[in-house]
Amino acid sequence: DTGVSQNPRHKITKRGQNVTFRCDPISEHNRLYWYRQTLGQGPEFLTYFQNEAQLEKSRLLSDRFSAERPKGSFSTLEIQRTEQGDSAMYLCASSYPGLSSYNEQFFGPGTRLTVL
Amino acid sequence: AQTVTQSQPEMSVQEAETVTLSCTYDTSENNYYLFWYKQPPSRQMILVIRQEAYKQQNATENRFSVNFQKAAKSFSLKISDSQLGDTAMYFCAPQGGSEKLVFGKGMKLTVNP
Repeated sequence: DTGVSQNPRHKITKRGQNVTFRCDPISEHNRLYWYRQTLGQGPEFLTYFQNEAQLEKSRLLSDRFSAERPKGSFSTLEIQRTEQGDSAMYLCASSYPGLSSYNEQFFGPGTRLTVL
Repeated sequence: AQTVTQSQPEMSVQEAETVTLSCTYDTSENNYYLFWYKQPPSRQMILVIRQEAYKQQNATENRFSVNFQKAAKSFSLKISDSQLGDTAMYFCAPQGGSEKLVFGKGMKLTVNP
């Protein structure tokens, strides 16, 4: 399977614990995005990387959230001191604009986080 | 900031019927792209169709077509000959100068046999 993969697919944690999610993009894609989707809503942008550089962060990304893409390949999203409001689906997407004039983002299956 | 409105939260159609999903958006960008994404139940988001704002011709992709009205900032999706596999959440998403997609709340489409 050469699509975007995310691990774990499901995570249940207790309030106050730290969690880390991983995203592996499509291998030749240099751009990687994180979105958060709560129940009944569309995905909301969190942050994106071009190679290893984090180029944009949403105001939704509070100090408890940090994302990295150390070698320009996979990325991790860490949430510290989780709160019940962090319960959501965390989606990762990747893209490679290349020669095309548009930037199609390919999405992974998501990590569903439940904070008890 | 871009905003997206999908005013119909849910629709239900019979197999083989045609259905139109509406979307309006607000943007200050002049050059941008518009996308419709589909999210089937318990499956990942996939691209249905895209439209470049500078193109007047409406995009088509097999059974899927759009009605893009730039002045009205309207971007509706028409699905012809609906199939059971079209059952999904559908999201309208413009993409402007920033790399991010801005999604609407989505519309749940159910295609009944």
